[in-house]
Parts: sequence; structure tokens; C-alpha cells
Amino acid sequence: EIVLTQSPGTLSLSPGERATLSCRASQSVSSSYLAWYQQKPGQAPRLLIYGASSRATGIPDRFSGSGSGTDFTLTISRLEPEDFAVYYCQQYGSSAFGQGTKVEIK
Amino acid sequence: EVQLVESGGGLVQPGRSLRLSCAASGFTFDDYAMHWVRQAPGKGLEWVSGISWNSGSIGYADSVKGRFTISRDNAKNSLYLQMNSLRAEDTALYYCAKDGWGPICSSTSCYPYYFDYWGQGTLVTVSS
Repeated sequence: EIVLTQSPGTLSLSPGERATLSCRASQSVSSSYLAWYQQKPGQAPRLLIYGASSRATGIPDRFSGSGSGTDFTLTISRLEPEDFAVYYCQQYGSSAFGQGTKVEIK
Repeated sequence: EVQLVESGGGLVQPGRSLRLSCAASGFTFDDYAMHWVRQAPGKGLEWVSGISWNSGSIGYADSVKGRFTISRDNAKNSLYLQMNSLRAEDTALYYCAKDGWGPICSSTSCYPYYFDYWGQGTLVTVSS
């Protein structure tokens, strides 16, 4: 069973800064089958990225995904106040979610 | 607009049963696989169960296998989760989620592709 490990656990940044979130898989992920979600307190998760790098409908272009194999990255180019949230990665074809990275205001 | 509205959660004693429902609208329901995902208080996301468009493929997390049953009624645009023999560790917010890929699951175990829409969740609390 694939295990997804996200790092760091918490990222403390200021608005306007760049955020780089990592998701590492215990085995190679086929065909870049990786998604990223954003979850704000009291809300359901929202799909940001699928296929490792494709933005979901309505997602601003400051969000980008990259990577392949076992190492994937979610980048937020310039943090907006509404971007402070918890982010999860998920691999297609398994039940695996990462444990989440919290992006908090510094 | 895609909408997924869960219902049926509540407080239940250990060992008892509960049935969750999810009413879907805004898309052609029988064109997509559907899933249940849960989130224990203060914890991360856990895939619970999935079902293909025609119920031909069904899968469960090991933590609920043999206790939970997923089903769907395409005529009613509805997804269900029958939960039996509930345990304290089943306490969570249960989300209904639409598979973004299409009608089939990603594997014979009906694991998901990705989730493009989520409901707001229904809270299940298992406690005496």
C-alpha cells in the first residue's frame, strides 16, 4: 500500500510570500496520478490540482503542481489571505491521502 | 451547479446502525463513480468506500469492510452508506464525493481517481 508523506507539517509564511509544499510517495505514482486539495476550517476540501499539474476549474494560476514518480510539489506563487488553510495530496488508484500541510500566517 | 447534500448523521451508541444519504444534483449522476470520505475530529482525510456508476464495482477501506455497505439509486440521484456495528473510532464527518474521472473506479477495489466535488458532510458521533 502506498503511503504519502507531506512536508512540512506546518508552514508559517506572510501574505505575498511563496509557499512550497511537498508530497512524497513510498512507491512510484503511475502516470502522475496525484491530486491536491485545499481545506479551510469548517469547510469541505476543494480540488486544486489533478494529474499532478492540471488546475481544477476556477483555481487561480498562482497555484501550480509539479513532479512525477515519487516526489510532487504544490506551489503557491504569492500567498493571498484566503490561501491560509490545510493542503492534502492524494494518489489516484489507491486509498492514500497525505496527512496534510497547514499553511499559517506568520 | 453541482451539489452534493449529505444527511442521516447523528449520535448513535456503539454497536448500533446508521444510514447516510447523499442527494446529488447539477450533473448526470449515473455518468460518475461516487465515494464516501471521512474526517475524524481534528484529523486528516480517509477514503471509506467507492461505487462505480452501475454498482458493478464496489470497494471499502479495511477499517470498515464487513460493517459498511455502499449503494446508489441512479433513478433518485442518490448515494447511500449503511453503517452497522458502529465503533467509537467511526466518529467523523462523512463526506460524499464525486469522482472526477468518470463512471468507473480506478481499480478493482474501487479506489478513487480524484474528487472534483464534495458535499458539506454529515457528522456521525458514536458514543454511549
